[in-house]
Amino acid sequence: AQSVTQLGSHVSVSEGALVLLRCNYSSSVPPYLFWYVQYPNQGLQLLLKYTSAATLVKGINGFEAEFKKSETSFHLTKPSAHMSDAAEYFCAVSGRGNAGNMLTFGGGTRLMVKP
Amino acid sequence: KAGVTQTPRYLIKTRGQQVTLSCSPISGHRSVSWYQQTPGQGLQFLFEYFSETQRNKGNFPGRFSGRQFSNSRSEMNVSTLELGDSALYLCASSLAPQTGYTFGSGTRLTVV
Repeated sequence: AQSVTQLGSHVSVSEGALVLLRCNYSSSVPPYLFWYVQYPNQGLQLLLKYTSAATLVKGINGFEAEFKKSETSFHLTKPSAHMSDAAEYFCAVSGRGNAGNMLTFGGGTRLMVKP
Repeated sequence: KAGVTQTPRYLIKTRGQQVTLSCSPISGHRSVSWYQQTPGQGLQFLFEYFSETQRNKGNFPGRFSGRQFSNSRSEMNVSTLELGDSALYLCASSLAPQTGYTFGSGTRLTVV
């Protein structure tokens, strides 16, 4: 069974500061990994995905994440936070098989950006 | 291209009633999956359909059901609604797992 743990349900940073959102996963086989962002009263928007190409993945809005197999981690970073980054972020894992696709999500991290 | 469309956006139902939610996937996407989002339980997988067949099912009671039509549109139904079914229901479509999943804006269901 797969599982995802996001450390810190709330993270607060100042505008211009580094953003680091942590994600650790558990999977019996190398999974696909995703980061999604959710703004209030909206669905989930894909920020980036890891599908076993480069371990450093660049996404939209200046975000990137690094897949570290030895640490079973997929932390999300952004060098400089912007007020518009305030939202909830979800890390998710899915299997690679064609027998069925489902995402298992972490509990989410609410990012607050202070002016 | 058009994204994933969910209708309606908001619903208010009474306990004991049933409800049907609709999802139109991105053109060409044959996999459609449904998720329930609540403050207490977070995002939980309900079920996934591919070419009109349910391939995966989450740990939800039988009151939750779904189906997919030949044009890949999907519906989910919840019968005998309970207060705890109040949630944001999200639909996602996918071409293949490695391409990712595109979500709709969701249907917010309130059971009173």
